Amino acid sequence: EIVLTQSPATLSLSPGERATLSCGASQNVRSSYVAWYQHKPGLAPRLLIYDASDRATGIPDRFSGSGSGADFSLTISRLEPEDFAVYYCQQYGDSPWTFGQGTKVEVK
Amino acid sequence: QVQLQESGPGLVKPSQTLSLTCTVSGDSIRSGAFYWSWIRQPPGKGLEWIGYIYHSGSSDYNPSLKSRVSMSVDTSKNQFSLNLSSLTAADTAVYFCARETTTGHFDFWGQGTLVTVSS
Repeated sequence: EIVLTQSPATLSLSPGERATLSCGASQNVRSSYVAWYQHKPGLAPRLLIYDASDRATGIPDRFSGSGSGADFSLTISRLEPEDFAVYYCQQYGDSPWTFGQGTKVEVK
Repeated sequence: QVQLQESGPGLVKPSQTLSLTCTVSGDSIRSGAFYWSWIRQPPGKGLEWIGYIYHSGSSDYNPSLKSRVSMSVDTSKNQFSLNLSSLTAADTAVYFCARETTTGHFDFWGQGTLVTVSS
């Protein structure tokens, strides 16, 4: 199965700053089938990005995804207070679908 | 707006079988446009896809759990269910249900339910 490694584990930033999260795969992900999710405690995870770079419905344009092959990233251009959360990447290029361990974006 | 809600016991004994149900609103499982999945997250660990079921009853499971997992669907109630047998402490986790697109990402999730395996 494809192993996804997210870095860093924790990102300490201030509101207004730019956040760049990385997701590396143990092998190339077919068709760049990578998604990103935001998760806050006690809430349902929220789809942000699918197919590596397509924003899900209703997601603000400060969220963007990029990458191909085995290297993918999520960028939040200017952090808003509601963006502090844990972010997960997921690959669905090869079954079984797998997730990264998550990056926590916390307030500095 | 599509909503999913997990229900089931919060505490199950080792060696027993866990049964969870997901109730869907805002979409019809019968439409056949999506798959319906279960995902879990053990405390302090990452997310693990358990498998999906389709409105027809066809399914696909993660090989790591395949021998212990079964899923079913009740289109009349707009619900789908997970059974996980031979439980151990390692099955303690938050269990999420989610709507899975035809390509494999999850566009709507439930908020999850914590299941603890303990005697």
